[in-house]
Amino acid sequence: AQKVTQAQTEISVVEKEDVTLDCVYETRDTTYYLFWYKQPPSGELVFLIRRNSFDEQNEISGRYSWNFQKSTSSFNFTITASQVVDSAVYFCALSVDHTGANSKLTFGKGITLSVRP
Amino acid sequence: DSGVTQTPKHLITATGQRVTLRCSPRSGDLSVYWYQQSLDQGLQFLIQYYNGEERAKGNILERFSAQQFPDLHSELNLSSLELGDSALYFCASSKWGNYEQYFGPGTRLTVT
Repeated sequence: AQKVTQAQTEISVVEKEDVTLDCVYETRDTTYYLFWYKQPPSGELVFLIRRNSFDEQNEISGRYSWNFQKSTSSFNFTITASQVVDSAVYFCALSVDHTGANSKLTFGKGITLSVRP
Repeated sequence: DSGVTQTPKHLITATGQRVTLRCSPRSGDLSVYWYQQSLDQGLQFLIQYYNGEERAKGNILERFSAQQFPDLHSELNLSSLELGDSALYFCASSKWGNYEQYFGPGTRLTVT
């Protein structure tokens, strides 16, 4: 069975601070996919990134960066110079079926990030 | 805007009733997924369809059913509603397999 753990439940920072959201996953599959989604107060789920298990390169997109480490089964997300608009719930998710027949997402509980002006 | 549409946005109904939630996937996406988000259970996968066929089931109650039509839109039917069914129901779509899933705005169901 797959599991995603987001141990942090709530994080509060002041604008312009850097913040890292932790994600630890469990799976016995050697091929799997990791995702981050953002859920702002308006409620929709916004796709941020997808990473497959055989690509451990870190990724940077503007103020966002992701650190994937298979050795520790972690896929952490860092926001640099946080802004009030970053306030949201952030979900890490895992999908393991590389055949595509059953590619359901298993989500963590989410981390509520509050960025204060 | 993800390109996935869901209707209605809000739904308030009484216990014992039946409702239908509708989803239209992004253009070109053949896979549709349904998820339920509640405070106690978090985000949970319900069911997946690919090009009209059911492909996977998660923790979906027997009172719930879904289908995907030839035009690829999908409907989630919830019957004999209970208070505990109150939740945000999301539809997502993807091309196939483990491509990223794009979510619709959700339908907030309130059972009174």
